[in-house]
Amino acid sequence: GAVVSQHPSWVICKSGTSVKIECRSLDFQATTMFWYRQFPKQSLMLMATSNEGSKATYEQGVEKDKFLINHASLTLSTLTVTSAHPEDSSFYICSARDRGTSGLDEQFFGPGTRLTVL
Amino acid sequence: AQSVAQPEDQVNVAEGNPLTVKCTYSVSGNPYLFWYVQYPNRGLQFLLKYITGDNLVKGSYGFEAEFNKSQTSFHLKKPSALVSDSALYFCAVGPPGGYNKLIFGAGTRLAVHP
Repeated sequence: GAVVSQHPSWVICKSGTSVKIECRSLDFQATTMFWYRQFPKQSLMLMATSNEGSKATYEQGVEKDKFLINHASLTLSTLTVTSAHPEDSSFYICSARDRGTSGLDEQFFGPGTRLTVL
Repeated sequence: AQSVAQPEDQVNVAEGNPLTVKCTYSVSGNPYLFWYVQYPNRGLQFLLKYITGDNLVKGSYGFEAEFNKSQTSFHLKKPSALVSDSALYFCAVGPPGGYNKLIFGAGTRLAVHP
């Protein structure tokens, strides 16, 4: 099946710094990628939808200036948490939509990135 | 608006017994329905999906789910639980016609005891 990777798998940073998380589709082209946030023992909340070559669409309540999303190629989307604060600590999961290069049309999820802001 | 409800925070079952994890949904039109499993500190793994066709959907690792339109339910089932099935299970609904913007339920923790 299609594989999505995330890097890094975990990161610890100081308050006020920025952190970039990468999401890659390894064996298919993803015109659409999604970024989710998951708090401990809670469900996934969609943060934004990222389309290759265009601006991301953010869900209500998600600060677009704080969570910068770039989808520069068909296999890479990045999420940058700017001026991170402890309340941004969370598990961030990306998914990529395969629209047919592998004969499928569904979302494939990355393994997640755990961000801890001190 | 779409929504998904998983009424049980946790389900406990003995190894070898059948298991059911419940899910109900609310969506206009014909929904796309999914089940995913999550192990600690890992992303989601796809189990199965319902788009159209047979109401009983068979998926990975021996799991299956039954789509019931009249009850707007999509319960996950397995005839014989394994200890290794212990994990967090999420039901999700997608809008008719596409896989965008999946809405996830709150999740149900399945604990299978030896």
